[in-house]
Amino acid sequence: DAKTTQPNSMESNEEEPVHLPCNHSTISGTDYIHWYRQLPSQGPEYVIHGLTSNVNNRMASLAIAEDRKSSTLILHRATLRDAAVYYCILSLSNSGYALNFGKGTSLLVTP
Amino acid sequence: DAMVIQNPRYQVTQFGKPVTLSCSQTLNHNVMYWYQQKSSQAPKLLFHYYDKDFNNEADTPDNFQSRRPNTSFCFLDIRSPGLGDAAMYLCATSRDPPQPQHFGDGTRLSIL
Repeated sequence: DAKTTQPNSMESNEEEPVHLPCNHSTISGTDYIHWYRQLPSQGPEYVIHGLTSNVNNRMASLAIAEDRKSSTLILHRATLRDAAVYYCILSLSNSGYALNFGKGTSLLVTP
Repeated sequence: DAMVIQNPRYQVTQFGKPVTLSCSQTLNHNVMYWYQQKSSQAPKLLFHYYDKDFNNEADTPDNFQSRRPNTSFCFLDIRSPGLGDAAMYLCATSRDPPQPQHFGDGTRLSIL
């Protein structure tokens, strides 16, 4: 059962970049790395996902280590609205790419 | 515009009284998921439908069942709710995995 390891919490100042780390040392070659975030009283929201190469979208960037055993979600300029729990999730090819959420990182953004 | 709609947002039922939660989607996605999220915990996958094919997670209690009458709708039935079933229930949809999942805002279930 591939798992991810994330810090319980992180803090950032508003308008500064945030780097959220994730370790997934048991990842296999066909497992995807997903990031979702969840604001209070809302359902999770998709942020980004990738397989091997770094990925960019309007919300964030995903940097994947060359050995794929770790990745970093990068928020380029944190806002107060980015305060949420960020989940790094491996979707496993041998389980139909189901999402098994871990504990996530609670991000606090301060003005 | 809400794309995954869960009704109601809050549901109260009595211990042992069957309850049904509903989810509808306007995305025409072929996969629909149900998650349970207890207080201060991460969401936990209960089961999902891949088109009409039902896939149950190994540790989902027998008390939980689901129906998907058509592409747009999916229901979660709890036959005899216990106090431990009080939680937020989240519905999500996606195209063929590993495409991103779109979540509704959940139904918070309370058991009296």
